[in-house]
Amino acid sequence: SQQGEEDPQALSIQEGENATMNCSYKTSINNLQWYRQNSGRGLVHLILIRSNEREKHSGRLRVTLDTSKKSSSLLITASRAADTASYFCATDASQTTDSWGKLQFGAGTQVVVTP
Amino acid sequence: EPEVTQTPSHQVTQMGQEVILRCVPISNHLYFYWYRQILGQKVEFLVSFYNNEISEKSEIFDDQFSVERPDGSNFTLKIRSTKLEDSAMYFCASSEWLRNEQFFGPGTRLTVL
Repeated sequence: SQQGEEDPQALSIQEGENATMNCSYKTSINNLQWYRQNSGRGLVHLILIRSNEREKHSGRLRVTLDTSKKSSSLLITASRAADTASYFCATDASQTTDSWGKLQFGAGTQVVVTP
Repeated sequence: EPEVTQTPSHQVTQMGQEVILRCVPISNHLYFYWYRQILGQKVEFLVSFYNNEISEKSEIFDDQFSVERPDGSNFTLKIRSTKLEDSAMYFCASSEWLRNEQFFGPGTRLTVL
C-alpha cells in the first residue's frame, strides 16, 4: 500500500512567507516523521509526531496530525533561502513484530524559497 | 551532536562485482536500517536489524543482499553481484528504540557500470 503522499509536489515562495505542505496516508500509523533533503544529500530528521498527538512545534516548524483524516501538515514559518529543499513525510505503520520500524516515504514536496 | 556516518560517499563498480557499504550508527542506538533512493524516486525501505538479526526485509532485499554487524560499531550492507538497477543512493539509519526517530546518514551513492 502506498503511504505518505505529499502535496503540493512543488512550492515556490518568497523569503519571510510561510510554507505549508500536506501528507496523506492510508493505514493506521504509530508515528509520522518529517525529513528534509537538500539536493543529492542525506535526509535530515525534522520532527516526529505520534498517533496520539495532534500538534507539535520545533523552532519555526509546526506539524499537525489528524488521524481521522489520515493526514498531516508541515508548516515552516518565516521561511529563509536556506529552507530550500525537498521535504518528505514518512510513516511508521508497523503493527506487529513483522514490520518493525519500517518507514514508508512519500515522493516529497520540493520547496524553493527565493530571497 | 552524534550522527550516523557512512563510507564511502561514492562507490563506482562494474556489474557483477561485490560491494560493501559501511555505516557507523549512533552509539547508543539499538535498531539499524538500510534504505535506498533511486535517482528521482522515493526513498525505499530495504531492511531493519535488531539484536544481531534481521527484523524485516522488503521484496527488494533478495538473496544478493546481506547485512552484518561485524563489531560493536559498524553495520554493513553487502551486495554480492551488482546489477545496473542497483545504482542508487543507499542510506543507513539508526534509532534508539523501536518507533523512535530514525536518524539517517549522508548516504553512499552507488554507481554500477
